[in-house]
Amino acid sequence: GAVVSQHPSWVICKSGTSVKIECRSLDFQATTMFWYRQFPKQSLMLMATSNEGSKATYEQGVEKDKFLINHASLTLSTLTVTSAHPEDSSFYICSARDPGLENNEQFFGPGTRLTVL
Amino acid sequence: KQEVTQIPAALSVPEGENLVLNCSFTDSAIYNLQWFRQDPGKGLTSLLLIQSSQREQTSGRLNASLDKSSGRSTLYIAASQPGDSATYLCAAPNSGYALNFGKGTSLLVTP
Repeated sequence: GAVVSQHPSWVICKSGTSVKIECRSLDFQATTMFWYRQFPKQSLMLMATSNEGSKATYEQGVEKDKFLINHASLTLSTLTVTSAHPEDSSFYICSARDPGLENNEQFFGPGTRLTVL
Repeated sequence: KQEVTQIPAALSVPEGENLVLNCSFTDSAIYNLQWFRQDPGKGLTSLLLIQSSQREQTSGRLNASLDKSSGRSTLYIAASQPGDSATYLCAAPNSGYALNFGKGTSLLVTP
């Protein structure tokens, strides 16, 4: 299947700093990528849909000015958590759909664990 | 909005048992449904994807079924092993291709 990578796999930062997470589709071009987050003992929740060359679409309750998403190329989307606080500590996972596949399967990155002190 | 529910929330079985995990979804106009496995502190491992035109998919000891009319899917695990212990997530897409996840079933297979 297609491969999606994420970097970094984990990050620890101080409160008030910004953290950038990268999501790359390695062997296909993804016009759309998705960002999810997972708090401890909970399931994955969609944060936003990242569209190449246009603005991201955010889910209700997700602050677009805090979670900046840039999808500048067909293989890279970035999520920047600005002025991170301890409540932003979570597991962030991206996914991408290979438009060349008819089954619309989603491929997920390995995730980034963010800890804000 | 697509809502996905999974039961049971947790399941503990002795090694060797066959088991069934259940998933229900509210919007039957889906084009596929995916089952994932998640180990503690790890990302997702895709197990099976069922297209809307299919009734079931099989991979090794895993079999997933889909009944769109009733809004249900099941994941059948045959001859369970301790290595199968993990959280199993069911996910159905919304109209924009993003996935809506259930809360998962936490499975423990004891030796």
